[in-house]
Amino acid sequence: NAGVMQNPRHLVRRRGQEARLRCSPMKGHSHVYWYRQLPEEGLKFMVYLQKENIIDESGMPKERFSAEFPKEGPSILRIQQVVRGDSAAYFCASSRGQGGSPLHFGNGTRLTVT
Amino acid sequence: AQSVTQLGSHVSVSEGALVLLRCNYSSSVPPYLFWYVQYPNQGLQLLLKYTSAATLVKGINGFEAEFKKSETSFHLTKPSAHMSDAAEYFCAVSLNTNAGKSTFGDGTTLTVKP
Repeated sequence: NAGVMQNPRHLVRRRGQEARLRCSPMKGHSHVYWYRQLPEEGLKFMVYLQKENIIDESGMPKERFSAEFPKEGPSILRIQQVVRGDSAAYFCASSRGQGGSPLHFGNGTRLTVT
Repeated sequence: AQSVTQLGSHVSVSEGALVLLRCNYSSSVPPYLFWYVQYPNQGLQLLLKYTSAATLVKGINGFEAEFKKSETSFHLTKPSAHMSDAAEYFCAVSLNTNAGKSTFGDGTTLTVKP
């Protein structure tokens, strides 16, 4: 499957635990974007990364959230000390990074914080 | 900076009727515009994109959209709705200066009645 792969599809965490969401971009894509979708809301941009670099993190909460895209392996979105308000669907997308390039989305990780 | 406004969070049509989903954008430079569709528990899929080649853009599943600069609009249409068109639709804008990062509208849920 050459599409964007996200895992896990569903993740349940208790308040205070850590959540790690993984994303492997589409083959040939070196640009990764993370979006969050809350019920009845659209997609909100969180962060844009290239290999080993964070390009734009203007949508990331200032605390508890971090993202990386190492030279080898998937991109990781990490949420420390989760709270109930972090419950949402988190989508990863990838592109070639050129102007006008559409985003290719994974099926998302649905995080539930109990 | 760029933004997107989708007018109407819910649209309901009868099977066989015209589908019209509205999108207006704001951009300081010529934008790239996209429509995506999201089925339940899935990621977003690209329906069509405008990249300045032609103002009337044809996409998959019989959808098309027309870029109107004077109205800053990019409405999505389909002449005859099918039951399988029921989904959530998102309009998005990106700029040549931000390498694929897209800003999304809040989405429009399309219901098709038999």
